[in-house]
Amino acid sequence: DAKTTQPTSMDCAEGRAANLPCNHSTISGNEYVYWYRQIHSQGPQYIIHGLKNNETNEMASLIITEDRKSSTLILPHATLRDTAVYYCIVRRPGYNAGNMLTFGGGTRLMVKP
Amino acid sequence: DTGVSQNPRHKITKRGQNVTFRCDPISEHNRLYWYRQTLGQGPEFLTYFQNEAQLEKSRLLSDRFSAERPKGSFSTLEIQRTEQGDSAMYLCASSPDSFNYGYTFGSGTRLTVV
Repeated sequence: DAKTTQPTSMDCAEGRAANLPCNHSTISGNEYVYWYRQIHSQGPQYIIHGLKNNETNEMASLIITEDRKSSTLILPHATLRDTAVYYCIVRRPGYNAGNMLTFGGGTRLMVKP
Repeated sequence: DTGVSQNPRHKITKRGQNVTFRCDPISEHNRLYWYRQTLGQGPEFLTYFQNEAQLEKSRLLSDRFSAERPKGSFSTLEIQRTEQGDSAMYLCASSPDSFNYGYTFGSGTRLTVV
């Protein structure tokens, strides 16, 4: 699976948009980009995923560049409860591949009042 | 069904003892995963079940570790002869067969070996 690079930490003001970048320059054509977050003392929580089109759900938006070498997770109106570690993961499909998620270090997002 | 359930939430054991953790996945999910997470690190994959079949095991899963998923429902993870290095959060996750869904993780079992 392609490796991802994320900033170690970021701050965001409450009520503002949080934009979390992820670099995945070695991504393959059939690999998806997934985002999870982990709030302190809890298990990771799925946020969103995409292949090449931008995606939006009730939690966030995912913007993937045209060359697919990077992406940005956008939390449109960050709240204090969005303080967490955010993981960007590239994952290839296929039953035989195991589909396991490979987590990196993630970005620690601190939302401040 | 309220999600993935893991028991116990916390376990303190003496070095050399055996411990067993249980995971109850979301009932309609065929796939079940075990991960381990140490302080300040992201979760690391341990093993994966498709129904009752254990299909992949990480090299992190030493001979002291064994996992089962009888009848494709709940799963257990046993660690024999625990060592201090086994201290970690053990996370279980489940997912449907479709690739278009993310995993649902439980809250984990925190193991402390003293």
